[in-house]
Amino acid sequence: GAVVSQHPSWVICKSGTSVKIECRSLDFQATTMFWYRQFPKQSLMLMATSNEGSKATYEQGVEKDKFLINHASLTLSTLTVTSAHPEDSSFYICSAIHRRGPTDTQYFGPGTRLTVL
Amino acid sequence: DQQVKQNSPSLSVQEGRISILNCDYTNSMFDYFLWYKKYPAEGPTFLISISSIKDKNEDGRFTVFLNKSAKHLSLHIVPSQPGDSAVYFCAAAGGGSTLGRLYFGRGTQLTVWP
Repeated sequence: GAVVSQHPSWVICKSGTSVKIECRSLDFQATTMFWYRQFPKQSLMLMATSNEGSKATYEQGVEKDKFLINHASLTLSTLTVTSAHPEDSSFYICSAIHRRGPTDTQYFGPGTRLTVL
Repeated sequence: DQQVKQNSPSLSVQEGRISILNCDYTNSMFDYFLWYKKYPAEGPTFLISISSIKDKNEDGRFTVFLNKSAKHLSLHIVPSQPGDSAVYFCAAAGGGSTLGRLYFGRGTQLTVWP
C-alpha cells in the first residue's frame, strides 16, 4: 500500500515553545491531507483538512492560530503547534488521500507523540 | 455527535475462530466505509473497504458486510490469529462532507488468544 511518513515520531518540549510536525506522502501525490488527534482510549478526532496550495479547513473547536497547517507541496503538509501547553500533549496522526480511480483510500502516517512539560 | 458507533469496546476470540467486529452509523448519506487496524503508538493501517453499492467485500481472511437498511457493517476475520490483536476502527465517508473526510468509531480492541 501507499506510504505516509511523519517526523518526528515523538517530541518532548517545554511549555510555551512551538513544535512542527511533518507529514509526507512518499510514493504518491496528495492534494488533500488530514490531521487527527487521538487521546488515550478514544477515537481519532479530525482537527483539520489540509489542501495543497490553499488554506486549511479547521473543524469546529480547533484553534487555527494555535495549530498552523501548511500544505506547500503535493507530498508535504506540516502542523505547527504554537505556544504549546501540557493540554496539547497528545498523539497526532496525519493521513493522505491516495486517489486511484473511482475510490480513494486514506493512508495514515505512524503518528507523532507530543509531550509538553 | 458520534455518527459512527462501535458499541463493543473489546472482543476476545480464540485463535482459529471467527472474529466479528460490528459498526453502526447514523448518517444515511455515507457511501463508503473502511476498516483500519491500529497498534499502540502507531498510525492506523488500512484493512478493507466497501462501497455502498455493494453488500460484501472480501480480501483474504477479511470480509466486510454492509447492511444499508440497518445502517450496519461488520468485519469478519477468519481464521483469527494472535497477530490480529489490535484496535479496529470503523470509518465512514461521503454524505456531501469534505472529500475524503472520515468519521471514525471509537474502536474495538480485539484480543486473539492461543
